[in-house]
Amino acid sequence: ELKVEQNPLFLSMQEGKNYTIYCNYSTTSDRLYWYRQDPGKSLESLFVLLSNGAVKQEGRLMASLDTKARLSTLHITAAVHDLSATYFCAVVWDRDDKIIFGKGTRLHILP
Amino acid sequence: EAGVAQSPRYKIIEKRQSVAFWCNPISGHATLYWYQQILGQGPKLLIQFQNNGVVDDSQLPKDRFSAERLKGVDSTLKIQPAKLEDSAVYLCASSLIRLAGGHDEQFFGPGTRLTVL
Repeated sequence: ELKVEQNPLFLSMQEGKNYTIYCNYSTTSDRLYWYRQDPGKSLESLFVLLSNGAVKQEGRLMASLDTKARLSTLHITAAVHDLSATYFCAVVWDRDDKIIFGKGTRLHILP
Repeated sequence: EAGVAQSPRYKIIEKRQSVAFWCNPISGHATLYWYQQILGQGPKLLIQFQNNGVVDDSQLPKDRFSAERLKGVDSTLKIQPAKLEDSAVYLCASSLIRLAGGHDEQFFGPGTRLTVL
């Protein structure tokens, strides 16, 4: 059974600080997605990670994938208030293409 | 490019009533997904269509939920009868068909917030 765990589930941090959100999953996967969700809004695609060692960067966010460790990270550099949102990872099981979302990390960045 | 459209945006009903949601995917996207997102949780896939065929409906409560995608474009999701625990946001997403070695990035609609009283 595919399980996806994100941690932390809640994170409050100061502007200017760096932090990392972790996404662990339990079975083999050949693709992983990161999404952002603002309160009351839908999900916005951030990154698509397809291979071991993949690294993608957009502004202050950088995502990486280690398929051997079954781990993806979302790193925030010099956080700004606008990055406050909930971040979800979604993992696709390579056996049957079933997609499972993590519970999300609610990020609150204090000005 | 127009995004995924959903309606209504909000719906309040009494338990045991019926409700239907509509989704229009991005033009050209063959795959369509319906998700249920309960407050504070990640989206849970209810059903996935490819064109007008069902790919996965293993988590759809078939005793009360039904979905169809006639002509492989628009889709409707119905709940009959609704229960209190069905209160959630129902998200529709669409994607292109995944090619070998590629991906099937999903694009989400704004969602329908359902409250069951």
